[in-house]
Amino acid sequence: EVQLVESGGGLVNPGGSLRLSCAASGFTFSNAWMSWVRQAPGKGLEWVGRIKSTTEGGTVEYAAPVKGRFTISRDDSKDTLYLQMNSLKTEDTAVYYCTTYTTSWSYFDYWGQGTLVTVSS
Amino acid sequence: DIQMTQSPSSVSASVADRVTITCRASQGVSRLAWYQQKPGKAPKLLIYAASSLQSGVPSRFSGSGSGTDFTLTISSLQPEDFATYYCQQGNSFPLSFGGGTKVEI
Repeated sequence: EVQLVESGGGLVNPGGSLRLSCAASGFTFSNAWMSWVRQAPGKGLEWVGRIKSTTEGGTVEYAAPVKGRFTISRDDSKDTLYLQMNSLKTEDTAVYYCTTYTTSWSYFDYWGQGTLVTVSS
Repeated sequence: DIQMTQSPSSVSASVADRVTITCRASQGVSRLAWYQQKPGKAPKLLIYAASSLQSGVPSRFSGSGSGTDFTLTISSLQPEDFATYYCQQGNSFPLSFGGGTKVEI
């Protein structure tokens, strides 16, 4: 059974940093393309970024609002995906979901339960 | 960037009703997916490639369309289908979602 478990969310001041983790199990993580999607309170879904599998280059694409501030990385030895968030803004407040990403038809097939990040002073 | 527009934003329906949700892309796409989200839960993939049913999803859900206009249909609404539905395009970055359609009683 595929499982994605996010952690690391919490309350942070504007301008601060936070690192989210996503522990994966039930599939071959090293072969998987992964993504982060966020949802501000009471709002819709917003794609944050995607990372290819390491064997396919591990390259990353980011959404414009987070480019230059957020970094997606992976540790295949730990089956873990990361989202390093710097220079946080109040508008980054959201539930952050880790997802698997199927490249052939470009969709998010499995989702974690999400972790809440609140940026406030 | 490709903008995704869903309509209606909300729909009131009853059990056994047929419900249709529309998604329009600002330019033609071929990679279109639909998700269901219940309050406090993560989204769940229903449909990919516009009309392919994800494994385990009931057959009362169906997707259709091509180019810029797509439709999600629930043939006979069940109590567990009351939720918010999102479309998503995967043709180009940035990947983008529609604003959502809330199906409520």
